[in-house]
Amino acid sequence: EVQLVQSGAEVKKPGESLKISCKGSGYSFTSYWIGWVRQMPGKGLEWMGIIYPGDSDTRYSPSFQGQVTISADKSISTAYLQWSSLKASDTAMYYCARQGIAALLADYWGQGTLVTVSS
Amino acid sequence: EIVMTQSPATLSVSPGERATLSCRASQSVSSNLAWYQQKPGQAPRLLIYGASTRATGIPARFSGSGSGTEFTLTISSLQSEDFAVYYCQQYNNWWTFGQGTKVEIK
Repeated sequence: EVQLVQSGAEVKKPGESLKISCKGSGYSFTSYWIGWVRQMPGKGLEWMGIIYPGDSDTRYSPSFQGQVTISADKSISTAYLQWSSLKASDTAMYYCARQGIAALLADYWGQGTLVTVSS
Repeated sequence: EIVMTQSPATLSVSPGERATLSCRASQSVSSNLAWYQQKPGQAPRLLIYGASTRATGIPARFSGSGSGTEFTLTISSLQSEDFAVYYCQQYNNWWTFGQGTKVEIK
């Protein structure tokens, strides 16, 4: 069974750093791209970027380039999303999702990680 | 960057009625279009891919159509569990989502 399990909710202060994770299981982790999607409170889904764990090839949405860093550790089948200096506007639910191969859509999703940034 | 525009923002429908949701792409995405359903507190669930193919386990009352820049999701007879937010997504050039259509009980 394909599963993406994300790390737990985080409460941080503005200016702090953060790294959240997404662990894949039940499939060949290095053979599928993993994307990250932001959902701000009461808002829609926004694609942030995507990584291919096999070789760490990474692409970012222009809206998120330079704002976050996406990485992966294939030895432990885990993808990461990190911030070096959080802002209140980073408060959101963050989902990871696997990109399919036959159809390049988000076929499996993690349960989401809620990030709250508040002073 | 491909922009996806959904309409209407909110659709009020009575149980048992038909719901028709629209999605427009700013440029052709061929048939590389998916629809997702999201309920409060849950991750999105894939309903339709390739513009018209139902994902595994999705009831036949959900159908998709269109290609190029214009797409439609139809729910033929709304059940109580179908009241949710629906998003279209293009995957012709990485991913872009529409802003969503909320289907609410009339």
